[in-house]
Order: sequence, then structure tokens, then C-alpha cells
Amino acid sequence: GENVEQHPSTLSVQEGDSAVIKCTYSDSASNYFPWYKQELGKRPQLIIDIRSNVGEKKDQRIAVTLNKTAKHFSLHITETQPEDSAVYFCAARDGKGLIFGKGTKLSVKP
Amino acid sequence: DAGVIQSPRHEVTEMGQEVTLRCKPISGHDYLFWYRQTMMRGLELLIYFNNNVPIDDSGMPEDRFSAKMPNASFSTLKIQPSEPRDSAVYFCASSTQGWANEKLFFGSGTQLSVL
Repeated sequence: GENVEQHPSTLSVQEGDSAVIKCTYSDSASNYFPWYKQELGKRPQLIIDIRSNVGEKKDQRIAVTLNKTAKHFSLHITETQPEDSAVYFCAARDGKGLIFGKGTKLSVKP
Repeated sequence: DAGVIQSPRHEVTEMGQEVTLRCKPISGHDYLFWYRQTMMRGLELLIYFNNNVPIDDSGMPEDRFSAKMPNASFSTLKIQPSEPRDSAVYFCASSTQGWANEKLFFGSGTQLSVL
């Protein structure tokens, strides 16, 4: 089955800097790659997703890139703000539903 | 729509007791997922249903865990007997899984503590 690895596990940046989180997946048949944000004590919520027929997608300060050959995808957050502080999860969908990485705790310092 | 509704929000029980977690998916969603979240293992997919039928339960850790979906608006996850290592946040999520509509909507979760 699918296995998703996520790095780093923690990330601390200064407000205004960029943050990058990287994930790799194992199943070449996976075709859907979402990113979820979970604030402390809250439920995970989708922030952006990308499909296997697209290499890059952008939504304001957030962008995701996908390299199918290397089986890795990344989340890029520019001009970080304190409200971006949260745990971010990448995921990949194989035939068995969404498999999540272990998460990255992002801290944005004012 | 009120979103995915889970109950209870918090459950504290003693080892050996039966625990039942409940979930009401968003109306019209035909997929329902149960996830378990811990610091060590992150978000683990336990089981998922399509049109009330269990499709894959390979993530269910042991026979002590069971899940049912008797109708389109209700699902339960049961642990019997419970053990301290079952302590975690259990999330239910639903979706429609159409090509352009695969977003998972999570419930608020049930924080389970087994003493």
C-alpha cells in the first residue's frame, strides 16, 4: 500500500519568510495529493490539492508542486504570517483512500 | 449543513471497558472514513465505507476494533475491550469523492483517554 514520508517534522521561520514542506510517496498509481492544515485542538482542513496531471498549482500565498517521476511533492508558503502557525499534513490517495504523512509543525515567529 | 458531527467530544474510560464513538456524515456524502491521530503515528486510516459498505478495514489495528454503518447518516466505531494504548483522537470524515470534489470534511474528533 501507499506510504507517505513528510519532512521536516518541525519548522520555525520568521514572519515574512517562506516555508517549504516536502513529501514523498511510494505508490506510482497515486493520483491525488492534498495538503491539510490543522490548528491546535481543531480538525484538519484542506488548504490546497493537486492532481497527477498537473505539475504546479498556486492559491495566493500557497503553492504546491508535484514531481511524478521522483514521486515527491512540496508545499510552499510565501510571506508567512503568525496565523500560518499550525500542523500541516500532506496526503496521497491510492485505491485505499487518503494516506497522510506524519505532519509538520510550522511555527511563524513575529 | 452542520458538517460532520461526532460524539462524544471527550471520552474517559477505564481499561477493559467498551467504547463507542459515533459519527454523522454530511448529507449526500457517500464516503465515510475513520482516522486515528496520535503524536507518534500521525493520522492513520482505520476503515472507510462507500454507500454504507466497508471497503477497506486493513487499518483496523486489532479485532478489538469494529466499525459499522447501518445507514447513510450514521456510523459507529467500537473498541471492546479498550486498552490504554487506544488513547488518541479519533476523527470521522466524509466526502463525495467525485473527480473534482474529493475534499475530506472532518468532524471535530473524539478525544479518547483509556486509564
